[in-house]
Amino acid sequence: GAVVSQHPSRVICKSGTSVKIECRSLDFQATTMFWYRQFPKQSLMLMATSNEGSKATYEQGVEKDKFLINHASLTLSTLTVTSAHPEDSSFYICSAWNSGGPSSYEQYFGPGTRLTVT
Amino acid sequence: AQTVTQSQPEMSVQEAETVTLSCTYDTSESDYYLFWYKQPPSRQMILVIRQEAYKQQNATENRFSVNFQKAAKSFSLKISDSQLGDAAMYFCATRGEYGNKLVFGAGTILRVKS
Repeated sequence: GAVVSQHPSRVICKSGTSVKIECRSLDFQATTMFWYRQFPKQSLMLMATSNEGSKATYEQGVEKDKFLINHASLTLSTLTVTSAHPEDSSFYICSAWNSGGPSSYEQYFGPGTRLTVT
Repeated sequence: AQTVTQSQPEMSVQEAETVTLSCTYDTSESDYYLFWYKQPPSRQMILVIRQEAYKQQNATENRFSVNFQKAAKSFSLKISDSQLGDAAMYFCATRGEYGNKLVFGAGTILRVKS
């Protein structure tokens, strides 16, 4: 199946700093990428949907100025957590979708990034 | 709007036995997909099985099968011959035919006892 990578897998940053998480589709072009947040033993919460070359669509309650999403190419989307605070500590997961691909029903998930803000 | 309900926060099964995880959903879409995802301790999301709503036949993937009851909006997952590696959190999810957003249930933690 298709492979999606995330970098870094773990990151620790100090309160007030910004951190960038990359999501790459390695062997297919992703017309759409999704960013999720997951707390321990809870479900995935969709934060935003990004389409290549256009602005991301944020879910209700997600601060777009805090969670900056860029989808500059068909294989790369980035999530930047700006001025991070301890409450932003979480597990962030991206997924990628190719609407025109043979498996257009499926989203492919990255392995996730654990963010800890101290 | 779409919603997915998983009413079993945790389930346990003895190795080699069979277990069924429940899922109900609601959707206004006429055509949609249903999915079961597995999230093991590594937290990598793995697609277990999918069902197209227009298909009456229940999907099967090796030891995993579903019981899809469209009228009742029910989509349960049956795991046969459970193995230790099946221990994970399982999420039921749905997506509209022309949409791309997945809507997840709260998840069920499955424990497999040896």
